[in-house]
Amino acid sequence: SAVISQKPSRDICQRGTSLTIQCQVDSQVTMMFWYRQQPGQSLTLIATANQGSEATYESGFVIDKFPISRPNLTFSTLTVSNMSPEDSSIYLCSVMGGTTEAFFGQGTRLTVV
Amino acid sequence: DQQVKQNSPSLSVQEGRISILNCDYTNSMFDYFLWYKKYPAEGPTFLISISSIKDKNEDGRFTVFLNKSAKHLSLHIVPSQPGDSAVYFCAASAVDTGKLIFGQGTTLQVKP
Repeated sequence: SAVISQKPSRDICQRGTSLTIQCQVDSQVTMMFWYRQQPGQSLTLIATANQGSEATYESGFVIDKFPISRPNLTFSTLTVSNMSPEDSSIYLCSVMGGTTEAFFGQGTRLTVV
Repeated sequence: DQQVKQNSPSLSVQEGRISILNCDYTNSMFDYFLWYKKYPAEGPTFLISISSIKDKNEDGRFTVFLNKSAKHLSLHIVPSQPGDSAVYFCAASAVDTGKLIFGQGTTLQVKP
C-alpha cells in the first residue's frame, strides 16, 4: 500500500480566488489521480496526472479551471481556480497499488464563501 | 449516465447480523470491481475487490459476490460490528485505464 499525504486538509476560501492542493506519496508512482466528491455525491474523477506530460482531463473538467502539476514521481498539485460556491467539495488524491486497487489521501475539504 | 449505481442510500443493521450492500453497473467492459469504506474526514479505504472472471471473493468478515449476467455485485459483512458504520462505495474499473467509476455510496449503521 502507499501512504498519501494531502495538504491542506481543509480550507475556507473567498469566491474568485484560487487554492492549490498538494499531494505527496511515499513511493514513486506512474499515475496519480485527482477526484472530487461534492456534498452528498459520489467520487468523480477530475484528471489523471502522469509525470512528464500534461494531465488528462475527464469530460466536464478543463485545465483552465483545474490546472495540475506533476513535477516528479512522488508529488502532484491540483489548483482550483477562480472558485465559486459550486466548487465546495472534498478533493482527493489517489494512486494505484497493485493491479487495480487505488489508495487515497485523506482529502481536502474546500468551502467557498 | 450513472454507470455504477448503489440504489440504497442507507442501511441499518443490528450488531452481529449480516450487512448486505448492493451495487449495479451498466458497462460490460468493466473487468474489476472494488469496495471502499469511508469515514468522515478521511479518504476512502480499500476493502475488497473481485475480478470479473470470478463470482466470489472472501476476506475475513467481508465477501463480495459478482453476478455478471445481472451486472450486479454485493458486499456481505458478517458478523457486522459497530466499527463497520461508515459510507461504503462500490467502484468499477477497466484494468488498462486505472480509472475508477464510483457509485453514490451507502451509509451503513451497525447498532450495538
